[in-house]
Amino acid sequence: GENVEQHPSTLSVQEGDSAVIKCTYSDSASNYFPWYKQELGKRPQLIIDIRSNVGEKKDQRIAVTLNKTAKHFSLHITETQPEDSAVYFCAVWANSGYSTLTFGKGTMLLVSP
Amino acid sequence: EAGVAQSPRYKIIEKRQSVAFWCNPISGHATLYWYQQILGQGPKLLIQFQNNGVVDDSQLPKDRFSAERLKGVDSTLKIQPAKLEDSAVYLCASSLASNSPLHFGNGTRLTVT
Repeated sequence: GENVEQHPSTLSVQEGDSAVIKCTYSDSASNYFPWYKQELGKRPQLIIDIRSNVGEKKDQRIAVTLNKTAKHFSLHITETQPEDSAVYFCAVWANSGYSTLTFGKGTMLLVSP
Repeated sequence: EAGVAQSPRYKIIEKRQSVAFWCNPISGHATLYWYQQILGQGPKLLIQFQNNGVVDDSQLPKDRFSAERLKGVDSTLKIQPAKLEDSAVYLCASSLASNSPLHFGNGTRLTVT
């Protein structure tokens, strides 16, 4: 099955700094890569996603980049704000064998004022 | 649109007891997922349905866990008998089709004592 590695496990930044979270995957047939934000005690919510035919996607302060050759993708948050503090999960949709969404272990982002 | 509905929100049981969770997906969503999220970890897929058929249940502990989606709409997940290590949040999610964004419910937090 798909193996998803996410780094770092925790990330502390000052308000206004940028934050980058990286994920690697194993199945070259994977074709859909969403990112979820989960605040304490709440459900995961989709913040941005990218498909394998696109290299980069932006939505205001959030961007995702995909390197299919190296099998990794990254979440970039610019001008971080305290409300960005949460756990972020990357996920990978494999497209071979069983088609399921596999999650990384998460990155706890703490943005200090 | 109404989101994914789950009940109950919280459940406390003793080990060896049984418990059932209910999920109603977003109307029109063909794919339904049950994930287990242990504190500090990413969601782990237990079972995935496409309409009322099982797509993937490879990580479902079938000696104690069962799930059904009889009419292709709502679903129940049962644990019998529960173990201490089953303490987790059980998240239901749905998507319009496979390989499309997942929408999560608020989850059921299970504590096994």
